[in-house]
Amino acid sequence: GNSVTQMEGPVTLSEEAFLTINCTYTATGYPSLFWYVQYPGEGLQLLLKATKADDKGSNKGFEATYRKETTSFHLEKGSVQVSDSAVYFCALSDDIKTSYDKVIFGPGTSLSVIP
Amino acid sequence: SAVISQKPSRDICQRGTSLTIQCQVDSQVTMMFWYRQQPGQSLTLIATANQGSEATYESGFVIDKFPISRPNLTFSTLTVSNMSPEDSSIYLCSVERQSPVNTEAFFGQGTRLTVV
Repeated sequence: GNSVTQMEGPVTLSEEAFLTINCTYTATGYPSLFWYVQYPGEGLQLLLKATKADDKGSNKGFEATYRKETTSFHLEKGSVQVSDSAVYFCALSDDIKTSYDKVIFGPGTSLSVIP
Repeated sequence: SAVISQKPSRDICQRGTSLTIQCQVDSQVTMMFWYRQQPGQSLTLIATANQGSEATYESGFVIDKFPISRPNLTFSTLTVSNMSPEDSSIYLCSVERQSPVNTEAFFGQGTRLTVV
C-alpha cells in the first residue's frame, strides 16, 4: 500500500541555518506529493505541493522537488527563521483513476529554530 | 480551497463525561475525516464520514467511543464519549478536494482536549 516515511525529529537549528527534511514515499500509481505545516496550537495547512515528476513546489522560501527515480520529496529552506518552528508533514495522494484516494501522511518532523 | 470551522478550539473535561466537536465547511463535500493527534505524535485517522450513511472507522476506533454524525454535506460532529485522560489529544476535522490531477486535504484549526 501507499506510505510516507520522514526523517525523525526533533530537529533543532540556529536561525539562518540550512534546512533539509527528508521524505520518501511508496505508491502504487503516480501520486501527488505535499508538505503540510502545523504551527504551535494550530491545525495543518498546506505548505507546498508537486503533482508530477520533476515538479518543484515552493512557498515561503521552502522548496521540494518531486524525484520519481528516488521516490523522494525532500523539503529544503536556505535560511530558517524562528517563525519556521513547527511540525512538518510529508503527504501523498495517489492518482485518482479508479477510486477515491485518501491523503496519506507521514509521521511528522518537529523543527525548532533558535535565535 | 476550503474553509473549515471547528469548535470548540479547546476544552478541559472531567473524566467520564462526553464532548461533542463540531465541524462546519464552507462548501459541500462528499467525505469528511476525523483525525486524532496525540501529544507529540502524527495524525491518526479515526473515521471517515459520508453524508447519509454510517461512518467508517479505522482499526482501533469504535462507534460507541467516537460516535459521528453527518447530517448534511457541510457539517459533521465527533463525540468523544466516556472520556479518560488517555483521550487528551488534538482532534482535527478534514476534508479533501479532488481535482483532475490530485486530492488535496484541508484542515480545521483543531480541538485541543484535556481530560482531567
